[in-house]
Amino acid sequence: QSALTQPPSVSGSPGQSITISCTGTGKDVGGYDFVSWYQHHPGKAPKLLIYEVSSRPSGVPNRFSGSRSAFTASLTISGLQADDEAEYYCCSHTNSRTPLFGGGTKLTVL
Amino acid sequence: QVQLVQSGAEVKKPGASVKISCKASGYIFTHYYIHWVRQAPGQGLEWLGIINPSGGLTTYTQRLEGRVTMTRDTSTRVVYMELSSLRSEDTAIYYCGRDRQEYDILTGLQYWGQGTLVTVAS
Repeated sequence: QSALTQPPSVSGSPGQSITISCTGTGKDVGGYDFVSWYQHHPGKAPKLLIYEVSSRPSGVPNRFSGSRSAFTASLTISGLQADDEAEYYCCSHTNSRTPLFGGGTKLTVL
Repeated sequence: QVQLVQSGAEVKKPGASVKISCKASGYIFTHYYIHWVRQAPGQGLEWLGIINPSGGLTTYTQRLEGRVTMTRDTSTRVVYMELSSLRSEDTAIYYCGRDRQEYDILTGLQYWGQGTLVTVAS
C-alpha cells in the first residue's frame, strides 16, 4: 500500500489559515470514517489533533478542524501561531483492516 | 493518567535483532490495543502492527511480515516489539501508541510512548 497523498509542504503567516489535504481512495479515506490527523514536532511524540474525520480530543484548540469530501480529507488550521510549525500526518483505516499514514506535510509559519 | 514508557535507545549491527518495550499505566491494560509506529530519518510515520494485550493476537504490516513479533506480559503491563534481521533502513524512532477507543481499529492514537531510537550500523 502506498502512503496517502499529502502535499510535502505548506506555509502561512501568523493569524492566517491553511489547509492540508490528504488524498486516498474508496478503500481508505473515502470508505471509512476513521480518518485521524497528527501534529509532530521533531523529537517529540506525535499528538492527536482530529479523529473520526472531524472530531477533536479534549484539549485541542478549535483552531484545528477536519473535514472530508469524497476521497480527500482536509485539516484546516486557523489563526496560525508560531508553535504550529511542525509536520502533520493524516491516517486512515483501510479495507485491509490496517491503518495507512499519509506521507506528511511540513508546515512553515512565515 | 495514561502513560506509555518505552525502553532506551539501541545500537545494533545488521542482521541482529532488537526488542523494544512499552510499559503501560493509568488504565486497564487488557482493554486497549497497542499499535507500533516508526519514523525513519527524513521519512514519514509508518504503521508497523497492533497487539491485543488481552489475548495476544497480532496483525503486522506486510512490509515486515516474518521479521516483526509483538508480544505482551499482562503481569507487568508491558508490550514488546522485536524486529529481527535488522537492516540499515530499519534505523528509526519506534513509538508505541494507544488508541482512544477499545477497538482494534485505529480511530485515533491519543497516547504515545516517548519513542525509542534504534540505530542499525556496522
